[in-house]
Amino acid sequence: EAAVTQSPRNKVAVTGGKVTLSCNQTNNHNNMYWYRQDTGHGLRLIHYSYGAGSTEKGDIPDGYKASRPSQENFSLILELATPSQTSVYFCASGLGTNTEVFFGKGTRLTVV
Amino acid sequence: GQQVQQSPTSLVLQEGENAELQCNFSTSLNSMQWFYQRPGGSLVSVFYNPSGTKQSGRLTSTTVIKERRSSLHISSSQITDSGTYLCAPGRDSNYQLIWGSGTKLIIKP
Repeated sequence: EAAVTQSPRNKVAVTGGKVTLSCNQTNNHNNMYWYRQDTGHGLRLIHYSYGAGSTEKGDIPDGYKASRPSQENFSLILELATPSQTSVYFCASGLGTNTEVFFGKGTRLTVV
Repeated sequence: GQQVQQSPTSLVLQEGENAELQCNFSTSLNSMQWFYQRPGGSLVSVFYNPSGTKQSGRLTSTTVIKERRSSLHISSSQITDSGTYLCAPGRDSNYQLIWGSGTKLIIKP
């Protein structure tokens, strides 16, 4: 079974602070994704990547950066965290266009 | 653009009843995946079923590509089946998942 591991699982950050959410997959998947999920909005794509060294903007990239240093790791970076970024963040990975996608267990981020 | 409709929006059943969830999509997509999520929980892949029928325990998924529809059947529902079921029939040109809006299933004792 393919696995996607997110860390931390829970995080409380202060407004204006820097937050890094990490995602690791050992499935050798090319594509990785960062979503956030809020009540009333469903899943919204923040950034995604086609492979090591690549990052692409999703639907709501403002206030977020992404980094894909290797095939296995994909990070989401909030340089200056704001309370509006309080949410649950999911990382996902997939091999190609028409293949199964696997999600991590999520990170609950609270910015106070 | 692509449109994905899930029905019903919500479904309330008594424990032991069967549930039938539908996912219809407007364009030709061929990587149907069903997800399950409890409130506050993670997204769990229930089925990857691009075509045909798959069964896992009490759950059965049937996808008919040429009719652009997929169904998820839950037999003898249990309270622990309660949650939201999301379908994602495929990806767009940027490999992003195309999502339905979900069916909220509530199983009562």
